[in-house]
Amino acid sequence: QVQLQESGPGLVKPSQTLSLTCTVSGGSLSSGHYYWTWIRRPAGKGLEWIGRIYTSGSTKYNPSLKSRLSMSVDTSKNQFSLRLNSVTAADTAVYYCARVAYCGGDSCYWFDPWGQGILVTVSS
Amino acid sequence: DIVMTQSTVSLSVTPGEPASISCRSSQSLLHSDGHNYLDWYLQKPGQSPRLLIYLGSNRASGVPDRFSGSGSGTDFTLKISRVEAEDVGIYYCMQALQTPVTFGQGTKVDIK
Repeated sequence: QVQLQESGPGLVKPSQTLSLTCTVSGGSLSSGHYYWTWIRRPAGKGLEWIGRIYTSGSTKYNPSLKSRLSMSVDTSKNQFSLRLNSVTAADTAVYYCARVAYCGGDSCYWFDPWGQGILVTVSS
Repeated sequence: DIVMTQSTVSLSVTPGEPASISCRSSQSLLHSDGHNYLDWYLQKPGQSPRLLIYLGSNRASGVPDRFSGSGSGTDFTLKISRVEAEDVGIYYCMQALQTPVTFGQGTKVDIK
């Protein structure tokens, strides 16, 4: 059974870069037609989609974050990563990684499973 | 962006009674392949979201059959036939027809 685990610093200073990694276990990141995605949930708010990546390195980002965002994949380590530049307090959130069943064009199937999430606080 | 609206912010339910959560999208979620690109997730307290229903009406693996999804186009409903104590949490609908993927603001369900 595939499991995902987020890792990275829990505290980032304003204006710096938030870097997170999602490690996939119980299966290969590059097998099948799966995409891989990041979602976040700011405290007291709902879920916000950040972006997705395929094992080829092809990405789709949320336009609201696109100018500060980059994603990458490392199939040798069975990991994919997120980098968000110039963070502010508004980027404080629980960050989740998840597997996407399939994407065709602009449309995607469901997110399953999800990682347990990691709280990232932006503060000096 | 497609706006997802869950009109009920919170719902208090008696165990054993049914519950219904609605979700409306600002654009039709019906793809040319015939599927509605609408999923339902449950985030229990202290846990990450878990897939309940995919493509509008398909129950995910391991999800009890008291959960069902219905609807098409812009109006969708998640029904719990008989609520149990373990069903508490926040229920989200999500559209993945277009990027950016968007979520409803969530409906919090608790037990009376």
